[in-house]
Amino acid sequence: EVQLVQSGAEVKKPGESLKISCKGSGYTFSSYWIGWVRQMPGKGLEWMGIIYPGDSETTYSPSFQGQVTISADKSISTAYLQWSSLKASDTAMYYCMRLSRGPNNWFDPWGQGTPVTVSS
Amino acid sequence: QSILTQPPSVSGAPGQRVTISCTGTTSNIGANYEVHWYQQFPGTAPKLLMYGNNNRPSGVPDRFSGSKSGTSASLAISGLQDEDEAHYYCQSYDKSLRIWVFGGGTKLTVL
Repeated sequence: EVQLVQSGAEVKKPGESLKISCKGSGYTFSSYWIGWVRQMPGKGLEWMGIIYPGDSETTYSPSFQGQVTISADKSISTAYLQWSSLKASDTAMYYCMRLSRGPNNWFDPWGQGTPVTVSS
Repeated sequence: QSILTQPPSVSGAPGQRVTISCTGTTSNIGANYEVHWYQQFPGTAPKLLMYGNNNRPSGVPDRFSGSKSGTSASLAISGLQDEDEAHYYCQSYDKSLRIWVFGGGTKLTVL
């Protein structure tokens, strides 16, 4: 079974750094793009960026470029999303997902989500 | 403001048929990019419901169907059931922005 398992809930203060993870199993992790999506409380889905674990090629949404860093360690089938200095506005649920292959990508499966709370 | 436009809410009685629209532009849906749909229940991750405009993953009832025409797409749910109450999101790719884009989501209420 193809599965993505994310790290647990985080509670941080503004200005702190954070790195959350997404571990894939049941498939060749290095051969599929992994994406990240933000969902702020009571809001919709915002695509943040993607990474190809095979060579760590990364693409960011302009809305998130420079705000977060996406990385991956293919040796342990894990992708990461990190912040160097959190803001209260980063409070949200973050999901990772696997992109389908081909020219018209869909996202499946999704991780269970990592809730991040940033509060002083 | 989302790149793809969906109605914030739709509703229907059990057994009825409802449709959820997803309107884009000539840079995404109208540029021949396929539309995919996700279903999200409160407190859970979104799940793929429809891919490639009108293809259902294994396990998705055939009450769900999708279509696409021009710069818009639709998700139809027939024989509405209480368990269908959820949020639904459309998704495609935008060639001008070079990003994957979502609709703002539609909350389906079963009356």
